[in-house]
Amino acid sequence: SQQGEEDPQALSIQEGENATMNCSYKTSINNLQWYRQNSGRGLVHLILIRSNEREKHSGRLRVTLDTSKKSSSLLITASRAADTASYFCALAGDSSYKLIFGSGTRLLVRP
Amino acid sequence: NAGVTQTPKFQVLKTGQSMTLQCAQDMNHEYMSWYRQDPGMGLRLIHYSVGAGITDQGEVPNGYNVSRSTTEDFPLRLLSAAPSQTSVYFCASSRTSGGVLSVNEQFFGPGTRLTVL
Repeated sequence: SQQGEEDPQALSIQEGENATMNCSYKTSINNLQWYRQNSGRGLVHLILIRSNEREKHSGRLRVTLDTSKKSSSLLITASRAADTASYFCALAGDSSYKLIFGSGTRLLVRP
Repeated sequence: NAGVTQTPKFQVLKTGQSMTLQCAQDMNHEYMSWYRQDPGMGLRLIHYSVGAGITDQGEVPNGYNVSRSTTEDFPLRLLSAAPSQTSVYFCASSRTSGGVLSVNEQFFGPGTRLTVL
């Protein structure tokens, strides 16, 4: 299965701390995407990293990709209560029009 | 731009009933897809389309039909609803990358919460 496995399943941190979420996968990919979902809402795209890239930044977000280990991590720096949400990695396969989601990490940022 | 819109927001069906979930986008995206999300889980791909007249199956297509007659619209039909189809359904769209066979950044609709009794 191409599905990403996310770790941890849940994470609780204090406001101002950094949050790190990991995604591992088994097959080759064209790109890997991270999404955020606030409770009961639709998903919002955060970052897309291609298989030939190693690191990308967007504001307080940093994503790394290690294709040799088939893993990616999402780092949120200086977290805020508003970052409380579920975060999903999604795998875009090589030669495929399917985007397959992991089961997500639930992040709670305590004020 | 309205982005991706979905109707209805909520729906309750009885087992065996049929219905159509509507999805429309105004971004001229070629790629559109349907996902379902069960409680505490990630999204699972039901069907997708890379353009008008072209559809294909995702991970969990059984019990669902789709068609794509225009670029803007991608309705999802439940043929005979079952309690196992109780879920939240999300529609998404994205541009394609010419000849590259892959999926780009997805724009999601707000979802339809479906309960089948």
